[in-house]
Parts: sequence; C-alpha cells; structure tokens
Amino acid sequence: EIVMTQSPATLSVSPGERATLSCRASQSVSSNLAWYQQKPGQAPRLLIYGASTRATGIPARFSGSGSGTEFTLTISSLQSEDFAVYYCQQYNNWPRLTFGGGTKVEIK
Amino acid sequence: QVQLVQSGAEVKKPGASVKVSCKASGYTFTSYAMHWVRQAPGQRLEWMGWINAGNGNTKYSQKFQGRVTITRDTSASTAYMELSSLRSEDTAVYYCAREISGYCSGGSCEGGPMDVWGKGTTVTVSS
Repeated sequence: EIVMTQSPATLSVSPGERATLSCRASQSVSSNLAWYQQKPGQAPRLLIYGASTRATGIPARFSGSGSGTEFTLTISSLQSEDFAVYYCQQYNNWPRLTFGGGTKVEIK
Repeated sequence: QVQLVQSGAEVKKPGASVKVSCKASGYTFTSYAMHWVRQAPGQRLEWMGWINAGNGNTKYSQKFQGRVTITRDTSASTAYMELSSLRSEDTAVYYCAREISGYCSGGSCEGGPMDVWGKGTTVTVSS
C-alpha cells in the first residue's frame, strides 16, 4: 500500500496570505494525485487532479504541482471560505487508493 | 444538477450488516463509475471499493474484501454498499463518490479521482 504523508498537520494562516501544503508518497504515483477540501460536517470536494489540473469551478487561487513522490497544493491568497481540511489522494496504485492524513488550515 | 443522495443514518449492533444507498441524478448513471469511501471519527478518508455502473464490475479494498459488497440498480440509478459482520471500528460516515469522466492512465480507465460526492451516511455500531 502506498502511504501518503501530509505536512504540516495544522497550518495557521492569516486571510490574504499564501498557504503551501505538502504531500509525500511512499513510492512514485506519477501525476496520479488529487487534492480535496473538506469543511466540518461536509463531504470532500475535489480541487485538483492529475497533480495540477483544477477541477470544474475551482478558483484560480488553488494550484497544484509536483510529480513522483512530492506534491504541493498552494492557495495564493486565503479567503475566509478556504479554512478547512485538505487531503491528498493517490490513484496510481489501482485498486489500492489511499488518502493522506490531512492538513487543517486554520485562521491565524 | 448532478447530485448523489444517500440514505439516512443507521444504528447497528455488532455482527449485523448495513446497506447504504446512493441515488444519482442529473447525469447518465451508467456512464460513470462510483466509489465508496468512509471516514471514521477524526480519521483520514479510507477507500472501500468501486463499481462500474455500466457493466457492474467491482473492485474492493483488500481490507474489506469478503465483508463489503457493492451493487447497482440501473433502473433506479442507484448504487449500494453493504458491509457485513459489523464491529465498533466500522462506526463512520460512509460516502459514495462519482468517478471523474474520461479518466485513463497507464492503459487503464479505472480508479480515477472523485468529482461528485454524496453528503454521507452515518453508521453507528454499538451494542
């Protein structure tokens, strides 16, 4: 099983600042990496897939990069609605899909 | 609009089974695959299995193999996930999630990311 490790566990950011979230895979997942946002009591929402492609309707302030084992999600200027938990997910190792442990982005 | 509507919360005793439904609307049900993902309290998301809604083929996580069964009823545009031999560790929110359209990688067109999610079904296992 590919283990996905996210860091940091919690990120404290002021509104308007940039947030950089990391995700590391225990072995290469090529570019088969997605990012999801989850708010309390809600289902996850797809933000990024293919490591860098924004899903439909996702604002341009969200961007993804990386390949192989190291990935980054960047939120260029945090808005109030962006405070949430973010998960990465690899879908390279089918049918053994795995998620990271999440990064909580909180208001500083 | 595209949506997945899941069945309501369940409370089950250890050893029992639970069957969660996921009714799709706003798109052609048989043109997409469906994943099932669960999230125990305070835990990460955990993939359970998948069904090709067109041909009914399924894939399951090894962790749940033998305990989980995913089916679909194309006439009702509904997918189902049944989990048996429930234990307290199965207490979680269970989500269905549609696989993104047109995903293919490395010669396979299965197992892509999930672009539409149901709101989740809370399953509580308690004696």
